[in-house]
Amino acid sequence: DADVTQTPRNRITKTGKRIMLECSQTKGHDRMYWYRQDPGLGLRLIYYSFDVKDINKGEISDGYSVSRQAQAKFSLSLESAIPNQTALYFCATSDLIDSTDTQYFGPGTRLTVL
Amino acid sequence: GQNIDQPTEMTATEGAIVQINCTYQTSGFNGLFWYQQHAGEAPTFLSYNVLDGLEEKGRFSSFLSRSKGYSYLLLKELQMKDSASYLCAVMDSNYQLIWGAGTKLIIKP
Repeated sequence: DADVTQTPRNRITKTGKRIMLECSQTKGHDRMYWYRQDPGLGLRLIYYSFDVKDINKGEISDGYSVSRQAQAKFSLSLESAIPNQTALYFCATSDLIDSTDTQYFGPGTRLTVL
Repeated sequence: GQNIDQPTEMTATEGAIVQINCTYQTSGFNGLFWYQQHAGEAPTFLSYNVLDGLEEKGRFSSFLSRSKGYSYLLLKELQMKDSASYLCAVMDSNYQLIWGAGTKLIIKP
């Protein structure tokens, strides 16, 4: 059973469309993250949340928004998609009580904006 | 600025040993992580170092020198399935992970 799931796994959309990527986890972790990955670049943090009432901007939050609907769910929205948001998007979780704060990743969503 | 450097690509032979280096300059240090990522898949956790020295876990070992801002991942008895990208990441003073671009490891028979 997958501990961190993402839907959809692949999505092709057009410039200007609103799109939502969803992440769910059964690990019971408090902390959740959204990253994007582009070829030749390291993972870049978009937003993160340490609990349901906590939302924080990451390195590259412009053009994105998030919602933490429950401890287990963290959604990423692109309000008006643009081609340079084409990337592989990962959700990750970590446990507040884990002293190492190791992050565990979902399978990713490949997003193409035409 | 914060920076993580690792080689872009390395090639090694099945059954051999390979060392993947990572150097970092970050604002603070709260641990260094290595992840493995097969093409198109999620990164998976390999190792964590916060104190200087070597951590061994089966065929994989990771070394850290905080004074030098340096780590390496050592893979022994290479197998074809070890062909993947290896990502180095450092947790900074704000407990944010700063990621290297990854080292693509190609294993040849």
